[in-house]
Amino acid sequence: AQTVTQSQPEMSVQEAETVTLSCTYDTSESNYYLFWYKQPPSRQMILVIRQEAYKQQNATENRFSVNFQKAAKSFSLKISDSQLGDTAMYFCAFMNPGANNLFFGTGTRLTVIP
Amino acid sequence: NAGVTQTPKFRILKIGQSMTLQCAQDMNHNYMYWYRQDPGMGLKLIYYSVGAGITDKGEVPNGYNVSRSTTEDFPLRLELAAPSQTSVYFCASSYSTGDITSNYGYTFGSGTRLTVV
Repeated sequence: AQTVTQSQPEMSVQEAETVTLSCTYDTSESNYYLFWYKQPPSRQMILVIRQEAYKQQNATENRFSVNFQKAAKSFSLKISDSQLGDTAMYFCAFMNPGANNLFFGTGTRLTVIP
Repeated sequence: NAGVTQTPKFRILKIGQSMTLQCAQDMNHNYMYWYRQDPGMGLKLIYYSVGAGITDKGEVPNGYNVSRSTTEDFPLRLELAAPSQTSVYFCASSYSTGDITSNYGYTFGSGTRLTVV
């Protein structure tokens, strides 16, 4: 069974600084997807970034980038130039395409300090 | 551009009551899902559907039922509400042809906060 572990329940960062959120996962599959979702206080789940396991290049979306280490089964999220609007819960998620089910970690609560 | 619409946003039920959580999407997605999120936890899959007329159980299906009569709608039914079903419920949809390159992640609704007392 797939499991997703986020070992940092809470983190904080000063505005304009850089922060990295950790995620590890366990799977025996070779092809899969990894995602980071943001959940602000509004409760909406917002897709931040997506990575396909068959791609070696790390995904980047503006200020958000990932460090995908397939052998280590690690998928960390780096947020550069942190903004107050980045304050939210961040969930790492894994998907096996064959199952089409997203497995979520327990989340990291990020607070951006002015 | 509505995306995924869930109703109601909040609901309080008494133990033993029944209700249906509504979910509709207008993106012509073939896959739809119901998740629950308990306090301080990630989301867990209740049921999912790969197309109209086809549904299947997820990790935590007990106490729930679903149907998918159209591509757009995927209601979740609670028959005999229990305090353990107090949670936030999310509906989501996605499009996939089954090809590994075709899945772009889920679009989520804004959630329904359900309290069973």
